[in-house]
Amino acid sequence: EADIYQTPRYLVIGTGKKITLECSQTMGHDKMYWYQQDPGMELHLIHYSYGVNSTEKGDLSSESTVSRIRTEHFPLTLESARPSHTSQYLCASSEYVSGTEAFFGQGTRLTVV
Amino acid sequence: GENVEQHPSTLSVQEGDSAVIKCTYSDSASNYFPWYKQELGKGPQLIIDIRSNVGEKKDQRIAVTLNKTAKHFSLHITETQPEDSAVYFCAASLDPGNTPLVFGKGTRLSVIA
Repeated sequence: EADIYQTPRYLVIGTGKKITLECSQTMGHDKMYWYQQDPGMELHLIHYSYGVNSTEKGDLSSESTVSRIRTEHFPLTLESARPSHTSQYLCASSEYVSGTEAFFGQGTRLTVV
Repeated sequence: GENVEQHPSTLSVQEGDSAVIKCTYSDSASNYFPWYKQELGKGPQLIIDIRSNVGEKKDQRIAVTLNKTAKHFSLHITETQPEDSAVYFCAASLDPGNTPLVFGKGTRLSVIA
């Protein structure tokens, strides 16, 4: 069982609201990732971090921002939610070692109305 | 950058039959190829992986084969069971310690009892 947790599991929010999706891991992993999963299953990398104070944008342009102040915590923030942000968001982490397993959280399903 | 193509997008098999999912990658320098399984309501979970210095790897009913010359790799599931029903993702990485995994678009496998 992976020790990576996402909250909330489900969130319905109105357009224009600011939201933060939480992701925490207790495995001491340096690398953390955020993926957006569309209804067609595809995983899109939107942000990643290789350590404290390190963040990078992924392949999919996103209006979200992330921070990495602590090793175990990698929150994702949307300053002004829009219906186009409706999606499943998955957080993952892995050790900073070549070829090790990425552990995924259970995801947050976000609906913006 | 790396591009991973995965086929088919959906696959239905009778219980007990075999299932094969195929992926191709574009960057010949990629050297790490994991497969992830995502069950309903959960995040993806690593089920098997292979490195470029190995042609085949088996773990009970699942096996992965790699053809470096053709730049393709495949997941084989034998004696399928209903609990094998899930979405499967292949991925490739040039340098897993320093670059994020690039995922295929996923295959939804249904095992019919």
